[in-house]
Amino acid sequence: EVHLVESGGVVVHPGGSLRLSCAASGFIFDDFVMHWVRQSPGKGLEWVSLISWDSSYTYYVDSVKGRFTVSRDNSKSSLYLQLDSLRSEDTALYHCVKGAYRNTGFYGLASWGPGTLVTVSS
Amino acid sequence: IVLTQSPGTLSLTPGDSATLSCRASQSISTSYLAWYLQTPGQAPRLLIYGASYRATGIPDRFSGSGSGTDFTLTISGLEPEDFAVYYCQVYVVSPPGITFGQGTRLDIK
Repeated sequence: EVHLVESGGVVVHPGGSLRLSCAASGFIFDDFVMHWVRQSPGKGLEWVSLISWDSSYTYYVDSVKGRFTVSRDNSKSSLYLQLDSLRSEDTALYHCVKGAYRNTGFYGLASWGPGTLVTVSS
Repeated sequence: IVLTQSPGTLSLTPGDSATLSCRASQSISTSYLAWYLQTPGQAPRLLIYGASYRATGIPDRFSGSGSGTDFTLTISGLEPEDFAVYYCQVYVVSPPGITFGQGTRLDIK
């Protein structure tokens, strides 16, 4: 069974930084694209970033480009999101999500972690 | 690509059928259209991928259809656990990325 558990969410001041982590188990982590998706309190879903299975490419939503950095450590089955220059609008529950197997296309996002809450407030 | 879901809120009774709409700002491949359900305090759950394929474990009262810019999620015979928020989502190939609709809330009447 796929298991994704995020950690690292805290209260941080505007302009601050933090690093989110996601521990994955129950599947061969090295073979899958991984995503971060966030949800602001009481709001809808927003895709944040993806990273390929081998870290050869990363992509971001425009609102976080240049401020957030996604990475992974396949030896530890772990996914990371470095959040810098944080703004109040970055306040959200951040979910780690399992994507597609390598370059096989897209079959929906079937496995989600429960999320870790990031609050940006002075 | 912008996805617009309608209605914003739908109020129905258990046993009714529900029809939720998702309209894309430009034509998209059916391969990349998915639907999710989210109940309070829970992560989203994948219902439909490829516009019409049910995900593992999803009951057959859920069905997806559509092509081009117009897609529909139909729920036949609403069960109490179906009252939730539903999102459509598209995967963009180049550059890779994902966009969600704003959601449709399905309430008990």
